[in-house]
Amino acid sequence: AQSVTQLGSHVSVSEGALVLLRCNYSSSVPPYLFWYVQYPNQGLQLLLKYTTGATLVKGINGFEAEFKKSETSFHLTKPSAHMSDAAEYFCAVTRDSNYQLIWGAGTKLIIKP
Amino acid sequence: EPEVTQTPSHQVTQMGQEVILRCVPISNHLYFYWYRQILGQKVEFLVSFYNNEISEKSEIFDDQFSVERPDGSNFTLKIRSTKLEDSAMYFCASSVTGYEQYFGPGTRLTVT
Repeated sequence: AQSVTQLGSHVSVSEGALVLLRCNYSSSVPPYLFWYVQYPNQGLQLLLKYTTGATLVKGINGFEAEFKKSETSFHLTKPSAHMSDAAEYFCAVTRDSNYQLIWGAGTKLIIKP
Repeated sequence: EPEVTQTPSHQVTQMGQEVILRCVPISNHLYFYWYRQILGQKVEFLVSFYNNEISEKSEIFDDQFSVERPDGSNFTLKIRSTKLEDSAMYFCASSVTGYEQYFGPGTRLTVT
């Protein structure tokens, strides 16, 4: 069965600092990987996705993620944090033979002024 | 920009009552989903729907749950007899391809 692990339920960075949110997955076949963001009292917004091709994918709001098969990772980064990035971030993977998303537990990103 | 909409935003119901959560997916999308998120827990898959039938459902999606696409635009989730443990945020999603899923803002269901 596929699973997703997000290291750190809370990550705190200073405004302007690098953001790194970690995601590791387990999958018996090449996965499709996603990052979603959830702002307070809002729904889940797709940040970026990896399906095939280039392993470094760029998303909205300056975020990017790199698929590393050897490390089974899909970490999310942003060079310079902004106060508006404060939200909860979810990593998700599709299952082998269908399209349902399997979710990580989420990481709450806190931005310190 | 097209988006998925959900109504109501918050539903309070008594245990044992039936509830219907409504979703309007993005108009050219073909795949539809329901997920839920119990407070403080992971987002969980409930059911996927394609070509007017359920394509997959999770163990959570028992006989108390049903989905329907009654009129070609709405997509509903019905819980026949709600339990306290059904209290959660319910998210509808839709997709063109089945991979890139777009989510609605959610309906917070509170069962008392």
